[in-house]
Amino acid sequence: GQQVMQIPQYQHVQEGEDFTTYCNSSTTLSNIQWYKQRPGGHPVFLIQLVKSGEVKKQKRLTFQFGEAKKNSSLHITATQTTDVGTYFCAGPGGSQGNLIFGKGTKLSVKP
Amino acid sequence: GAGVSQTPSNKVTEKGKYVELRCDPISGHTALYWYRQSLGQGPEFLIYFQGTGAADDSGLPNDRFFAVRPEGSVSTLKIQRTERGDSAVYLCASSSGLAGGTQYFGPGTRLTVL
Repeated sequence: GQQVMQIPQYQHVQEGEDFTTYCNSSTTLSNIQWYKQRPGGHPVFLIQLVKSGEVKKQKRLTFQFGEAKKNSSLHITATQTTDVGTYFCAGPGGSQGNLIFGKGTKLSVKP
Repeated sequence: GAGVSQTPSNKVTEKGKYVELRCDPISGHTALYWYRQSLGQGPEFLIYFQGTGAADDSGLPNDRFFAVRPEGSVSTLKIQRTERGDSAVYLCASSSGLAGGTQYFGPGTRLTVL
């Protein structure tokens, strides 16, 4: 079945350093979504990418969707302690709407 | 406006018991999803409702799990004869129902089966 894989599983950075997480799908995706889950919290939608090669920015966060629409990345510039959490990518599942999530990348930031 | 709410926030039960978990979606959202999240994992899809009907229940692990949404709003996830392996956070999400629409997650119910 369809799989969404993320690396790395964990990332520890010093505050101010950059961070990148990568997402790969076993199949071509119509879109990819990114969510952030703070410790003890629930997933919160960050962004959706739809077009091949699309790049979107949200302040210090840059999201990319690969040309083949099978991979994506999230890059955070100059991390802050508020960036702590687990970042998930998710692609559409079999039916209209359900999502297949990766295992996430857990980011910790040392002040 | 109000987001997705779930009750209870925590549920501790004994093996073999029956539990019900409730989800109240964002008003006007026609699509509702149940996911299960185990420690260190991403949310795992269970079932998806469009209106009152289950459009996709392929993620339900076995017939001990059942969900309803009788009036197209509130949904209840029902688990019979609970097992220790059912322990997880059960997340509910809702969306406007448009294809690819953003899913808004509730705070989840942490189920612990002793």
